[in-house]
Amino acid sequence: DAGVIQSPRHEVTEMGQEVTLRCKPISGHNSLFWYRQTMMRGLELLIYFNNNVPIDDSGMPEDRFSAKMPNASFSTLKIQPSEPRDSAVYFCASSLNERTDTQYFGPGTRLTVL
Amino acid sequence: LAKTTQPISMDSYEGQEVNITCSHNNIATNDYITWYQQFPSQGPRFIIQGYKTKVTNEVASLFIPADRKSSTLSLPRVSLSDTAVYYCLVGGSSYKLIFGSGTRLLVRP
Repeated sequence: DAGVIQSPRHEVTEMGQEVTLRCKPISGHNSLFWYRQTMMRGLELLIYFNNNVPIDDSGMPEDRFSAKMPNASFSTLKIQPSEPRDSAVYFCASSLNERTDTQYFGPGTRLTVL
Repeated sequence: LAKTTQPISMDSYEGQEVNITCSHNNIATNDYITWYQQFPSQGPRFIIQGYKTKVTNEVASLFIPADRKSSTLSLPRVSLSDTAVYYCLVGGSSYKLIFGSGTRLLVRP
């Protein structure tokens, strides 16, 4: 298995632009998570999907952030408009089920907003 | 969700055994203890998980005393490639993994 796949690996954009991050979870996994990691705040859960349905989006910073999971093999995290404070590494993770199951993380997307 | 406390950093030398202790005084009855490892520019990677006593896999051992208020991750004979950040997480009744600051382990030659 290729593991969780994220694209792009690096993204540099200018303030105000729309940014779309993509994730392909491990096949057969029912749960998908988006995290954001910064030096100041560490690793934070943004949103959690189970069976393609958003279950908990309480970690999404504000309305500029949105996430979708149109099918079991694809999810997007969109930021519109982007701001410099959105600069971070964004990780996608998947697990077989929720609760105690191990979460498998992708390599992350390093986003820089100028 | 139980809060965890672990050392900010640790230093070791190649070939030594490293023990990283995590405190979780408010652990709930149905909580598991899980450790993740994160290398620079990579996502966290699951190392080991346990509920009580001792768990061992090909990478590490996890020791959990009877009161479960702490746990110790043991890495036998570390190498330079074990230099990473190690996170102790407590949970299991929820999908929410709370990553603290972690322990930054530096293995020296």
